Amino acid sequence: KAGVTQTPRYLIKTRGQQVTLSCSPISGHRSVSWYQQTPGQGLQFLFEYFSETQRNKGNFPGRFSGRQFSNSRSEMNVSTLELGDSALYLCASSRGYRTTNEKLFFGSGTQLSVL
Amino acid sequence: LAKTTQPISMDSYEGQEVNITCSHNNIATNDYITWYQQFPSQGPRFIIQGYKTKVTNEVASLFIPADRKSSTLSLPRVSLSDTAVYYCLVGGIGGGADGLTFGKGTHLIIQP
Repeated sequence: KAGVTQTPRYLIKTRGQQVTLSCSPISGHRSVSWYQQTPGQGLQFLFEYFSETQRNKGNFPGRFSGRQFSNSRSEMNVSTLELGDSALYLCASSRGYRTTNEKLFFGSGTQLSVL
Repeated sequence: LAKTTQPISMDSYEGQEVNITCSHNNIATNDYITWYQQFPSQGPRFIIQGYKTKVTNEVASLFIPADRKSSTLSLPRVSLSDTAVYYCLVGGIGGGADGLTFGKGTHLIIQP
């Protein structure tokens, strides 16, 4: 069974540009969540999708957005990039939603560098 | 919603048993406790999950006292490859945004 796939693996952008990151969950998984990871802040929750609907959102500005498609694949977009957006962006999938014993399966992430 | 507290870092030596404790005073009745391991430039990987008492799998044990306000991840006979960041997560993705809060984890360094 294929794992969570994130593309691209590495990305270099300049300030002011926008970027779209893609996440393909494990087959049969319907929930996708996104995280930003920086050396100083650890893993910070961005948002979570289930059945094409955003269910939860972390404390990030509106420049960060996302969506989920009918096949459960998800994309996140960051507009007007800032230097501080340089980070490893991780996507995780899980089978369901609102189950407290759910396990998250993570992709390898997209390393974004903003110059 | 549950919030977790873990030590920022720990050191140990190859062959030793390592115990990492996580405090979660506000754990809800239905919450499970899940531990993840992360190596640099990779996504976290599920290690073990439990609700109460003790759970053991091929890589670790998880001890949860009766009050469930803390949990201890036990790694037997660690090796250099166990150097990683370990995260304790309480609840699940259904617990609202806080249920997906990993915190900064425990950086475990294993020395020869």
